[in-house]
Amino acid sequence: QRVTQPEKLLSVFKGAPVELKCNYSYSGSPELFWYVQYSRQRLQLLLRHISRESIKGFTADLNKGETSFHLKKPFAQEEDSAMYYCALSGTGGYNKLIFGAGTRLAVHP
Amino acid sequence: GAVVSQHPSRVICKSGTSVKIECRSLDFQATTMFWYRQFPKQSLMLMATSNEGSKATYEQGVEKDKFLINHASLTLSTLTVTSAHPEDSSFYICSAPGSTDTQYFGPGTRLTVL
Repeated sequence: QRVTQPEKLLSVFKGAPVELKCNYSYSGSPELFWYVQYSRQRLQLLLRHISRESIKGFTADLNKGETSFHLKKPFAQEEDSAMYYCALSGTGGYNKLIFGAGTRLAVHP
Repeated sequence: GAVVSQHPSRVICKSGTSVKIECRSLDFQATTMFWYRQFPKQSLMLMATSNEGSKATYEQGVEKDKFLINHASLTLSTLTVTSAHPEDSSFYICSAPGSTDTQYFGPGTRLTVL
């Protein structure tokens, strides 16, 4: 079981599109999540693949063929600057989370 | 929403002493809680799964005799770092699953061992 986030830092200007990459390996059907950690705040759930919803303008589609779960936003805002972690867990609920290394998103004015 | 608290938020101790960190689910019950460790500028690494009323499940490479976990009630899990050494200095974070099957994270405890 592994989650890979290849970029440590992603730096963009306000209004630019954003894509934070996440690839995973898991023998089974995992649940995929994106967690966000704003400066001096605790980790919080941004979105999960089973919800298929857009949160704060972010979306993520699970691509089982490519084993990817990239996070996207068409127009970045300065308040999106944070640390983003991709994570997976086994299905069935209350399962432990395996985190990727995280990507720091910096949105410049 | 569900809230998880940790106490203390920051602790400094001498090498060789033991430190206890508490994780509480404030407005919900949690039969399972998770303990993570986060080194500076690195990701969260799962240490163990705390199970109410039974033994904790430790991840590979985590010394269970060094990191003692007690889940005595449905709202409290404790992590005790025994005979702490400088290499145990880290940020320790707990989480608990809420009713919507979402993990709620505590604010973390920064441990510094001198």
